[in-house]
Amino acid sequence: DAKTTQPPSMDCAEGRAANLPCNHSTISGNEYVYWYRQIHSQGPQYIIHGLKNNETNEMASLIITEDRKSSTLILPHATLRDTAVYYCIVRIYNQGGKLIFGQGTELSVKP
Amino acid sequence: ETGVTQTPRHLVMGMTNKKSLKCEQHLGHNAMYWYKQSAKKPLELMFVYSLEERVENNSVPSRFSPECPNSSHLFLHLHTLQPEDSALYLCASSQDSRGRSSAKNIQYFGAGTRLSVL
Repeated sequence: DAKTTQPPSMDCAEGRAANLPCNHSTISGNEYVYWYRQIHSQGPQYIIHGLKNNETNEMASLIITEDRKSSTLILPHATLRDTAVYYCIVRIYNQGGKLIFGQGTELSVKP
Repeated sequence: ETGVTQTPRHLVMGMTNKKSLKCEQHLGHNAMYWYKQSAKKPLELMFVYSLEERVENNSVPSRFSPECPNSSHLFLHLHTLQPEDSALYLCASSQDSRGRSSAKNIQYFGAGTRLSVL
C-alpha cells in the first residue's frame, strides 16, 4: 500500500516548468514526503524531501500544502534528461528502511 | 555515480545455477538494502541490513540468500531460481535505517543487476 496517488503520466515541454502532483491524504503528522526518480533501466535517484515547509535544492522544489494532504514537485526548467518515472513516497523518519514505491508518474519531456 | 556499485550489470542463468550479486558502497553508510523490480511493477523491498545485522526480511523465498560481511558490502546469493525471478535487482544504502534524522534515511541506489532466468 503506497499511501500516495500520482497521475500515471505527464508531458512537459523542454525549458518549461514541470509540476508533478502527489496526493497523500492519509499522511500522519510525523511522516515525511520523499521524491525519487528513476531514469529508464537505472536505479532510483533521490531528489528532495520535506515535512511541512516548502523545500528547494539544486534539483527541484517541493511545495507541501498547509494541510499536508498533497504536494507538488517542481522542476523549474525541464530538460530531456529529466524524462523519468517520478515517485512520491511518504514514510516515518525513523521507520526501519521502508520505502514503499508506487507506480509513480512517467514524465516525458519533449523538445 | 551514486557511490553504490553493483556487479554484474547483467546476468543470465539457468534454473539449476548458483550465482551471486554483489553490491559495494563507498559512502560510509551503515544500512544496506536489496530491492526487486519486476517488469511493469513497483520496486519491492527484499532485505534490510543495519550495521551488518539483518533487520528486515520481507517474506522472500529461501532461494534468495543475502549476506552482509561488513557495512560496505552486500551480496545476494541465488540458487535454483525460477523464470519469474527475472527482474532488475537493486541495491541501496543509507547512513542509517532507523535514525532520528530524515536526511540519514535517504537511500542511494546502485544501477542494478538485470537478471534473466532461463
